[in-house]
Order: sequence, then structure tokens, then C-alpha cells
Amino acid sequence: DVKVTQSSRYLVKRTGEKVFLECVQDMDHENMFWYRQDPGLGLRLIYFSYDVKMKEKGDIPEGYSVSREKKERFSLILESASTNQTSMYLCASSLFQDRDYEQYFGPGTRLTVT
Amino acid sequence: AQRVTQPEKLLSVFKGAPVELKCNYSYSGSPELFWYVQYSRQRLQLLLRHISRESIKGFTADLNKGETSFHLKKPFAQEEDSAMYYCALSVDSNYQLIWGAGTKLIIKP
Repeated sequence: DVKVTQSSRYLVKRTGEKVFLECVQDMDHENMFWYRQDPGLGLRLIYFSYDVKMKEKGDIPEGYSVSREKKERFSLILESASTNQTSMYLCASSLFQDRDYEQYFGPGTRLTVT
Repeated sequence: AQRVTQPEKLLSVFKGAPVELKCNYSYSGSPELFWYVQYSRQRLQLLLRHISRESIKGFTADLNKGETSFHLKKPFAQEEDSAMYYCALSVDSNYQLIWGAGTKLIIKP
């Protein structure tokens, strides 16, 4: 069974704080993704990574950065948290194969910025 | 530009009634389409993909290239089908999925 874990289920941070969200997968997947999930907006891609130390911007990268130093771990960093970054954050991973690849999701981190 | 549209934010039907969740896509190439589901307090997971042409939990979805649609259907809804459903599109030479906004399905007893 593929397992994708996220470091926290719930997180409360203050405006201006630096926030780290960690994601680990145990299936040796090449691709990893960070999404925001907001009601009425669906899933929006923040960043993805197709290999160690490789990253690509998604649709909404502003205010975020990522780090992938090891294949199994993909970190999302909010350099200076703002209230409009209050959201559910989902991490996912997938194999680097044909386009018919399933994305496996973590349980999500609900971040509140006050 | 590639796009996935789920026109209904919320769909409410009675148990035993047929269900159809709509998904339309915009893409000029050969699409790969998926339905993902998120039950309450559970993680998002793949429900079905068009290429496998299988039925999962009684749900089916047919790709209609003429109408650029991939609607999800079930003939008799069950209460455990209540969940958030997302349609997603995979495009050429890209690892990404393009997601619809999601439809919340509520099955009334």
C-alpha cells in the first residue's frame, strides 16, 4: 500500500511566521506535488517535483517555496505566512511513467494563519 | 487552454435514485480523464480512470470526445456515496493533473 504522510493534521500559525509543511512517501515515487484545496476552487497546484532537487512552479506558487533533498520527502515552505494562506494543504505522489498515473494523496494539513 | 469544468458545486439526490455528476473538459489533444473521490475525514483517492473502462462501487464514466465530457454515473445511489467528487484531466508530456472545482454529492435517506 502506498503511504503518503504529512507532518501535521492541524496547524495554527501567526502572520509573518515561517511555516514548514513536510510530506513523506514510501513508494519510491519520482513525482511529488503540493496542492491547496479550497471550497469552490478545487485543487490548485502550488509546486511539483519530478526528481530530487528538481521543482516546477504550479498555478499558484507566489508566497511559497519547496525543497526536495531526498526522493521520499517534499517540503512546502511559507516564507512569511499571511491570512490568505489559511487553507487545506494536500501532498501527493505518483510514478514517473505514462500519463495514466494515479496520484496518491496524504491526509492533508489544515493550516490556519491568524 | 486546458480546463475541466464541473458545473454543479452541490448535487443532492435520494437514496436509490440515479446519479450523474457532470464533467466537461477543454483540450485539443488526446485526453486521459479521472474521477477522484474524497469521503468525509478520508484522503482524496482515485475512483476510476477512463482508460480502464471499469466500474468501481457501481460508478461508471464514459469519455465522449464529441461532447468533451466524462460524466460519472450510478444507477442507484447509496448513502455511502456521499462525498466530494473531482474530475481531473491529464495532458500530453506533463506530470500534472488539471482539476475541476469538485461536486459535493449528498445522498438523502
